[in-house]
Amino acid sequence: DQQVKQNSPSLSVQEGRISILNCDYTNSMFDYFLWYKKYPAEGPTFLISISSIKDKNEDGRFTVFLNKSAKHLSLHIVPSQPGDSAVYFCAASKNTGNQFYFGTGTSLTVIP
Amino acid sequence: DVKVTQSSRYLVKRTGEKVFLECVQDMDHENMFWYRQDPGLGLRLIYFSYDVKMKEKGDIPEGYSVSREKKERFSLILESASTNQTSMYLCASRRGLLLIGGELFFGEGSRLTVL
Repeated sequence: DQQVKQNSPSLSVQEGRISILNCDYTNSMFDYFLWYKKYPAEGPTFLISISSIKDKNEDGRFTVFLNKSAKHLSLHIVPSQPGDSAVYFCAASKNTGNQFYFGTGTSLTVIP
Repeated sequence: DVKVTQSSRYLVKRTGEKVFLECVQDMDHENMFWYRQDPGLGLRLIYFSYDVKMKEKGDIPEGYSVSREKKERFSLILESASTNQTSMYLCASRRGLLLIGGELFFGEGSRLTVL
């Protein structure tokens, strides 16, 4: 039973434009969310996080938005660069728990 | 510079063999995890450990066991490898007991092929 879902397996965006990656979750107990980026044959690297007390967190070109009522979060990348081409995973956890639940990933391609 | 090191990047094993995947972290993290990544399925948790000699099952523990004899080392064991265990295996670690602010640090992964 997938508690974290990324319904778009892939996304293509022109260089310089905005990339928007979406993630939905089903468990209302989740209160901490993260985005990871993964290149082929490498481990995922942490990108940005947000706790449920916020609805937005920004770090340079990356912004994560959280809509708790819709159980939805999104990652915005502006402007998109070819080096951003990777698979992006969202993950969620409960403060009282010890486990992160990952989505299935979205493969982003930024076209030069 | 923090580091999670997985001993083997690529392994090829035969059905029925016993397989050991080793993971070492140098960040003095309490928590360590083993995931497998498969296309269309994302990252699925196999086992995790929150302390030496402690372990908990994740979502897909069948066919796997783990060992944590030292804080920095977490081993994944496939007692009798099968072809459906062909996958990318990812080790991760995280500090502390509270999840807020505690992201996972991943190793580079071990690509296992079982023939």
